[in-house]
Amino acid sequence: GNSVTQMEGPVTLSEEAFLTINCTYTATGYPSLFWYVQYPGEGLQLLLKATKADDKGSNKGFEATYRKETTSFHLEKGSVQVSDSAVYFCALNPGGYQKVTFGIGTKLQVIP
Amino acid sequence: EAQVTQNPRYLITVTGKKLTVTCSQNMNHEYMSWYRQDPGLGLRQIYYSMNVEVTDKGDVPEGYKVSRKEKRNFPLILESPSPNQTSLYFCASRGQGAYSYEQYFGPGTRLTVT
Repeated sequence: GNSVTQMEGPVTLSEEAFLTINCTYTATGYPSLFWYVQYPGEGLQLLLKATKADDKGSNKGFEATYRKETTSFHLEKGSVQVSDSAVYFCALNPGGYQKVTFGIGTKLQVIP
Repeated sequence: EAQVTQNPRYLITVTGKKLTVTCSQNMNHEYMSWYRQDPGLGLRQIYYSMNVEVTDKGDVPEGYKVSRKEKRNFPLILESPSPNQTSLYFCASRGQGAYSYEQYFGPGTRLTVT
């Protein structure tokens, strides 16, 4: 079956540091890949997505590139802010009637 | 505004007392699902529905029931709650077919069963 692997964390960074959260996946075919963010006390919301190999998704300074050769979709941001503190979920959607598979979620804490 | 709503947001109950968590979406989505979120386990799908009157089990369906009588609503029913169902629950919906569709999540229901 499909799977998504990411570190649970927590990841603690100082403000303005560079962020990388690794995400690797196992899937047949050509799934779409997503990063969702969950701020404290809220539901998940879409951060960015990529639908085919070599696509780069970007939003709010975050980026991730769909790498089919390494089956990866790592999330990066050049300079994190305290307001980026949240839990980040990597996910894949195989399409059609199949379910979306989520990673375990990585908690990010940014300190001033 | 496109949204998924859940009620209640917080619920404390006792073992064995039946409860229902409601979920409603206003985007005319065919696909809806319920997840529970637990520390160290991430999101696990409980049940999903591909359309009205079409539901199926997810990864952790034991102890839960669902129904889909209208396209917009997808309630989660715990007929006899137990303490191991204490968790944070999310309802989600998405369009059908296109694999690029994102999921929209409700704000969550924090359930405590004593």
